[in-house]
Amino acid sequence: EAGVTQFPSHSVIEKGQTVTLRCDPISGHDNLYWYRRVMGKEIKFLLHFVKESKQDESGMPNNRFLAERTGGTYSTLKVQPAELEDSGVYFCASSQVLRTSGRETQYFGPGTRLLVL
Amino acid sequence: LAKTTQPISMDSYEGQEVNITCSHNNIATNDYITWYQQFPSQGPRFIIQGYKTKVTNEVASLFIPADRKSSTLSLPRVSLSDTAVYYCLFSGGYNKLIFGAGTRLAVHP
Repeated sequence: EAGVTQFPSHSVIEKGQTVTLRCDPISGHDNLYWYRRVMGKEIKFLLHFVKESKQDESGMPNNRFLAERTGGTYSTLKVQPAELEDSGVYFCASSQVLRTSGRETQYFGPGTRLLVL
Repeated sequence: LAKTTQPISMDSYEGQEVNITCSHNNIATNDYITWYQQFPSQGPRFIIQGYKTKVTNEVASLFIPADRKSSTLSLPRVSLSDTAVYYCLFSGGYNKLIFGAGTRLAVHP
């Protein structure tokens, strides 16, 4: 079974440009999460989709970030316009919650390394 | 703030057993304890998950006492390739994961 995949693996852009990151979750996983780690900091939650709906977007830093998950499959995270402080590693994770127990395991992708110059 | 507390770093030697203890005084009834491993330039990798008592899989064991206020990840006979950052986290039913700094394990020859 394929794991969570992310594209691109690296992106270098100039300040003010737009970048779109893509995440393909494990097939059948309803939950999709975005996290990021900026330089020297801990991994932080950005937002959570359940299927195509945004369940929690409390971690989104500002309105320059737009996440979508049309059709409840893959998700995109667009940064427009990018700023220097957006540099970091963006991780995507997916999961399926067991209805009987509420047990959930999030599986992470390899991340997209974004550098804004 | 992370909900869990774990040592910042640990050192070990090849072939030894490594135990990393995590404190979580505020664990909720529906929280599972989950451990991840992360290598540089990779995403966190799921290792093991448990609710109480002991769980064992092919890579590790997880010990959780009855009060569930702590847990211990046990890595048997570590090798150099086990050098990584290990995170102790809560997970359960649509919850975002709250990462701390993790424990940096260095395995020496």
